Amino acid sequence: AQSVTQPDIHITVSEGASLELRCNYSYGATPYLFWYVQSPGQGLQLLLKYFSGDTLVQGIKGFEAEFKRSQSSFNLRKPSVHWSDAAEYFCAVDGPSGGSYIPTFGRGTSLIVHP
Amino acid sequence: NAGVTQTPKFRVLKTGQSMTLLCAQDMNHEYMYWYRQDPGMGLRLIHYSVGEGTTAKGEVPDGYNVSRLKKQNFLLGLESAAPSQTSVYFCASSYRYGDEQFFGPGTRLTVL
Repeated sequence: AQSVTQPDIHITVSEGASLELRCNYSYGATPYLFWYVQSPGQGLQLLLKYFSGDTLVQGIKGFEAEFKRSQSSFNLRKPSVHWSDAAEYFCAVDGPSGGSYIPTFGRGTSLIVHP
Repeated sequence: NAGVTQTPKFRVLKTGQSMTLLCAQDMNHEYMYWYRQDPGMGLRLIHYSVGEGTTAKGEVPDGYNVSRLKKQNFLLGLESAAPSQTSVYFCASSYRYGDEQFFGPGTRLTVL
């Protein structure tokens, strides 16, 4: 069964510092890979996705993610964090499972931004 | 476009009561999903549908039923609510697999 691991439950950074959120997946082939963001009390919003092509993917709000097949990783990065980036971040995969494509989400990483 | 809407936004039930959560989307999406979100657990897929008239079980289907009689609507039912079903429920839709999912605002359900 496919699985998604986000090893960091919480990450605290200072405003203006760089950010990297980690995501590892377990799956035989390369699935569709996503990062979503959830602000408090809201639904999820897509930041970026990857399936094929350039392994460095650009998203909204200045985020980017790099796919590394050898490490089964899809880490999210931002060079300079803004206070408004404080939110919950979810990595997700969408891949074949039992004849259908089923999405699987990681447990999320909560980003705290200090002024 | 309203996107994905969920009804109701909040609900409190007593153990054993039943209820139906309604999800509606106006994007003509084929795929629709129901998730539950619990602290520290991320989003777990309850049921999903790949088109009108179809439904399938996700990761945590027990205690829930769903129906997709119309393409734009996806209903989640709790026949006999239990405290373990206290959660925030999200509906989402996408055009096909591998596409971005669009999420509703969520329904906060408390079962006493």
